[in-house]
Formats: sequence, structure tokens, C-alpha cells
Amino acid sequence: EPEVTQTPSHQVTQMGQEVILHCVPISNHLYFYWYRQILGQKVEFLVSFYNNEISEKSEIFDDQFSVERPDGSNFTLKIRSTKLEDSAMYFCASSEPGDRALNYGYTFGSGTRLTVV
Amino acid sequence: RKEVEQDPGPFNVPEGATVAFNCTYSNSASQSFFWYRQDCRKEPKLLMSVYSSGNEDGRFTAQLNRASQYISLLIRDSKLSDSATYLCVVTLFGNEKLTFGTGTRLTIIP
Repeated sequence: EPEVTQTPSHQVTQMGQEVILHCVPISNHLYFYWYRQILGQKVEFLVSFYNNEISEKSEIFDDQFSVERPDGSNFTLKIRSTKLEDSAMYFCASSEPGDRALNYGYTFGSGTRLTVV
Repeated sequence: RKEVEQDPGPFNVPEGATVAFNCTYSNSASQSFFWYRQDCRKEPKLLMSVYSSGNEDGRFTAQLNRASQYISLLIRDSKLSDSATYLCVVTLFGNEKLTFGTGTRLTIIP
């Protein structure tokens, strides 16, 4: 079964440092997303990406965040200057176009646990 | 009002019992609905899409009531492996952002 792959599984960083989270979406998917889940809270949307540009972003996705698809397979989330409150599980997801997304949903990666100290 | 509202539980249910979860959503323009399952500290995994006519997949049945903006999930003959958090998820259209409920935690007791 195709998978969304995320690395690293766990990242510890000091407050103020930059981090880059890596994702390899499923190869025939065209829509890519980042979500986050603070411990004990619900999964929250950060950003969606299609055709090499951001299609939607949430209020959480402020200027310290950026996304990039540097090549044909990787999709990265960069946090420029991490804060303590950025500590969370970050999930990458991808989906097929249109009606197939409705039927087969969105596939999530296993997540990167980011701890800011 | 929360965009997607679920009873957080926990639901502690004996093995073999039937359990039902409910979910309400606030945006009447929502078009697509899902139940996802999340194990502790793992990623959400699609359990089933929810169609207007209702749908069944083995022991799982999902229903949608657009007039009441209400979604349900029924699990019959519950197994120990059903223990997880069940997430009600709503989106406006395919490939749009997913809006998650806080989840309902289910524990199946032997």
C-alpha cells in the first residue's frame, strides 16, 4: 500500500532555531498538506499545496512557516524561528484529485514529533 | 460553536457490544465527511467516507443527516483492536482542508 513518508520521526530543537520537516507524498497524488496536533488536542490544518503553490493556509501558518517542493518527490515544512508553542506532532498528508479524494480520503504520514526546548 | 463537535468520551465498552458515536458540524456548505481512526501518538487513518445514503463496511456503519448536520458511526460486535480515538472529519470539497473534531476515545474491555 502506498505510503506518505516523513522524516525525522522526532526532532528536538532549541527555541529560536530553524527546523525543516521532510515529507515524501504518494507519487501520483497532486495535493499536499501539513497538519499539526499539539499533545491532547485536535488535528489542525496548517497549509495546502497544489501545482507548486499554496492553495490555502490557516491563521497558524504565519510568516515563520514556509513550504516548498524542492524536487519532484519531496515536500518540506520550514519553521524559521521555533517557539516553545510550536512543540507538536506535524503530519504531512496527500490526496488524489477530485472525487477520488472523497472516496479514498487523504493519506497521512506517521508524523514528526517536534519538541522545542 | 465549534466547527466539528464530538463527545470526547471516554467510552469504555465490553467486547462484543455495539457502540455509536455522534458528530455535528456547523458549516452547512460542507460536502464531504469522513471517519478517521487515530491510535495513540500515531497518524489519523481513514476508516470510511460517509455518503448521503449511508454506508456500511463490515462491522462499521456510517450515517449522514444533512438537515440536522449530523454524522454517526456505529460499530457492531466490537473487538479489542477497535480501541482507538475516532475522529469526525469534514471538508467543503475534495482536496480542500480537512476540519477535525476533537475525537471520541473508545476503549474495548475484555
